[in-house]
Amino acid sequence: NAGVMQNPRHLVRRRGQEARLRCSPMKGHSHVYWYRQLPEEGLKFMVYLQKENIIDESGMPKERFSAEFPKEGPSILRIQQVVRGDSAAYFCASSLNRGTYEQYFGPGTRLTVT
Amino acid sequence: EDKVVQSPLSLVVHEGDTVTLNCSYEVTNFRSLLWYKQEKKAPTFLFMLTSSGIEKKSGRLSSILDKKELFSILNITATQTGDSAVYLCAVIHEGAQKLVFGQGTRLTINP
Repeated sequence: NAGVMQNPRHLVRRRGQEARLRCSPMKGHSHVYWYRQLPEEGLKFMVYLQKENIIDESGMPKERFSAEFPKEGPSILRIQQVVRGDSAAYFCASSLNRGTYEQYFGPGTRLTVT
Repeated sequence: EDKVVQSPLSLVVHEGDTVTLNCSYEVTNFRSLLWYKQEKKAPTFLFMLTSSGIEKKSGRLSSILDKKELFSILNITATQTGDSAVYLCAVIHEGAQKLVFGQGTRLTINP
């Protein structure tokens, strides 16, 4: 009964490179959320996806960030041309369906930009 | 703008003490409030509260919501060192799915 899986757990990128973060939701869950936790700050919502659909991306920076949740495979959060300010912990959560409000979190990916 | 404020930000107590953590909120179209425990990894779901005045309990942890005064408390009795963590409070709007988090309370239990 696996929980939410994220990989990699740690990712180091140089400025200007691309970062790809992966999230597999809990078994049976079809809704995925991405949150970012900057050092010494709370968790901030980024994007909410269903399979093949972005439902709410109101928390996503307008440039360099994108997310997808394809029909097959994990959800991907992609950050292009990373900058030092992107260094943070990125958490993925999943829920059963729309109208189920409990979200279960993965262990996070800690991104460090050097 | 939505606001979730937790207090205290940090708390240090001795094993066996009882602690109360606070969460106040200002959100439009409030639906529910959720509590999570975050150690050095994934935030772990504790409670979801939707109705005012109904206590939710799990072992030594309990929580209650006051929708009139717009706050919730999380109580931990007979604390143990394993309770040391950051406790996060989050609210969710009616019709939305995203969680709005407070900044967390860092609880340290000393033996």
